[in-house]
Amino acid sequence: GENVEQHPSTLSVQEGDSAVIKCTYSDSASNYFPWYKQELGKRPQLIIDIRSNVGEKKDQRIAVTLNKTAKHFSLHITETQPEDSAVYFCAANQGAQKLVFGQGTRLTINP
Amino acid sequence: KAGVTQTPRYLIKTRGQQVTLSCSPISGHRSVSWYQQTPGQGLQFLFEYFSETQRNKGNFPGRFSGRQFSNSRSEMNVSTLELGDSALYLCASSFPGGADTEAFFGQGTRLTVV
Repeated sequence: GENVEQHPSTLSVQEGDSAVIKCTYSDSASNYFPWYKQELGKRPQLIIDIRSNVGEKKDQRIAVTLNKTAKHFSLHITETQPEDSAVYFCAANQGAQKLVFGQGTRLTINP
Repeated sequence: KAGVTQTPRYLIKTRGQQVTLSCSPISGHRSVSWYQQTPGQGLQFLFEYFSETQRNKGNFPGRFSGRQFSNSRSEMNVSTLELGDSALYLCASSFPGGADTEAFFGQGTRLTVV
């Protein structure tokens, strides 16, 4: 089955700097890669997603890149702000509406 | 539109009991998925229902079961509860429910087994 590895497990950056989180997946049939942000005590919320027919997608300060050949995808957050502090999860689909999640990255933005 | 609603928000059960959790998807969404979230194992897929049919199932024992009703509301049941079943149970709904459509999560039900 699908396996998704996510690194790093914790990340601390200065406010205004960039943060990068990386994920690898194993199932070459996966074609949908969402990123979720989960604040303490709240539900996971989609922040950006990418499909396998696209190599890069950007939404304001957030971007995701996908390398299908190497089976890895990354989340880039620029100009980080304190409200970016949260746990971020990458995921890859395996069949209809089954998401396999990475273990999560706890991002802390230091003022 | 109202978001995904899960009830109850919190539950405390005793080992050996059974529990039923409920999920009401966003209006018009026909796919409902269930996930278990724990600090050690992260987010793990339980099962997914679409138009009252289970389309996909994760690697959980048979004590975990679910169903979906004609109005797309879904329930999951855990029988013979074990201490290790303590977790946040999240459901997610999507439209139209294909392999690459966004899943919207509910707030979750926090289950504690004592």
